[in-house]
Amino acid sequence: AQSVTQPDIHITVSEGASLELRCNYSYGATPYLFWYVQSPGQGLQLLLKYFSGDTLVQGIKGFEAEFKRSQSSFNLRKPSVHWSDAAEYFCAVGAAGNTPLVFGKGTRLSVIA
Amino acid sequence: DAGVIQSPRHEVTEMGQEVTLRCKPISGHNSLFWYRQTMMRGLELLIYFNNNVPIDDSGMPEDRFSAKMPNASFSTLKIQPSEPRDSAVYFCASSPNGGGQPQHFGDGTRLSIL
Repeated sequence: AQSVTQPDIHITVSEGASLELRCNYSYGATPYLFWYVQSPGQGLQLLLKYFSGDTLVQGIKGFEAEFKRSQSSFNLRKPSVHWSDAAEYFCAVGAAGNTPLVFGKGTRLSVIA
Repeated sequence: DAGVIQSPRHEVTEMGQEVTLRCKPISGHNSLFWYRQTMMRGLELLIYFNNNVPIDDSGMPEDRFSAKMPNASFSTLKIQPSEPRDSAVYFCASSPNGGGQPQHFGDGTRLSIL
């Protein structure tokens, strides 16, 4: 069965600083990997996804993520954080077939001036 | 494109009352998911449907919870009778068929049971 671990519950960064949110997954085959963002009072919005091919994927809002099979990781990065990036971020893994995604418990990002 | 539409956005009711949450998935999506989100338990999958058929309802907390999908464009999640511990944000999501498809979420229904 798949599982996802987001080791950091809460991260605080300064506006303009770089960001990396960690995600580790467990799955026996090549996974489908996703990052979602949830702003207060909103649903989860898809930031980016990895299915195959280039291990560095670009998403919306200037985010990118890198799939590293050897480390079972799919970390999310942004070179310069904006105050509007403050939100909850969820990593998810999917398998072949019509099965639900498995979500991590989320990392809350706070941005300070 | 219209996204996943949930109604109502907010619901406040007294314990013991019946609550019905509604969801319209994205047209053409064959899978539909109901989630519950709380501070204590995070995001929990309650039930999901493929092609209108319930596949796994093991996440439904109690018999007081029931979900239906009478057609491809509509689903309901019902709580009867409601209890204060059911207070949460309930999300509906949909996805196309096929392996590893991303789920598209609605904006949720914030439910408060007094």
